[in-house]
Amino acid sequence: ETGVTQTPRHLVMGMTNKKSLKCEQHLGHNAMYWYKQSAKKPLELMFVYNFKEQTENNSVPSRFSPECPNSSHLFLHLHTLQPEDSALYLCASSQDWGRATQYFGPGTRLLVL
Amino acid sequence: ELKVEQNPLFLSMQEGKNYTIYCNYSTTSDRLYWYRQDPGKSLESLFVLLSNGAVKQEGRLMASLDTKARLSTLHITAAVHDLSATYFCAVEDYGGSQGNLIFGKGTKLSVKP
Repeated sequence: ETGVTQTPRHLVMGMTNKKSLKCEQHLGHNAMYWYKQSAKKPLELMFVYNFKEQTENNSVPSRFSPECPNSSHLFLHLHTLQPEDSALYLCASSQDWGRATQYFGPGTRLLVL
Repeated sequence: ELKVEQNPLFLSMQEGKNYTIYCNYSTTSDRLYWYRQDPGKSLESLFVLLSNGAVKQEGRLMASLDTKARLSTLHITAAVHDLSATYFCAVEDYGGSQGNLIFGKGTKLSVKP
């Protein structure tokens, strides 16, 4: 595997379900990010982790819970989501937080019913 | 608060024609990125512009940055169908969240024969 990988690629869940999104980067980077991409909205930064420590939480509702066990892996735990949370969730990584190009994974297309 | 505006948001052009996409941002920054996104795919890094007057070229695409005007342009020369995609500019935020990228809404480019 190379670059940034995400699983699953597609996810359908009910509002009472609990699921997790997984991201793995094979680039030796120190910073990882979660973004939300909705139709007709700019890409929104959700969380930033730098050397496994959360540095940013961009006013994200608590029904989204990130976890970063090491610099290569990032999870987004989902519970009691709303239909408006349906979107493409993108993971990215960069060598450092700031002053470095971010490389994106293929995304998870999430549909909340 | 840093705001990033792109225009146009939609662009339909004929093969062989030239056109320019504009990216304006509201507060000081000296690091700007251009990304490309194909339908259903992730974001691919095209250019990073690091200083006033920076110009980068790759094939039929050329990007430039004017930090005094807070403006970047992405110029397309002799467009071909393969360039059809959505193009995003992103500006590094030096305000409250150093290192975070603020994205424009994207320009959806369609190149027709």
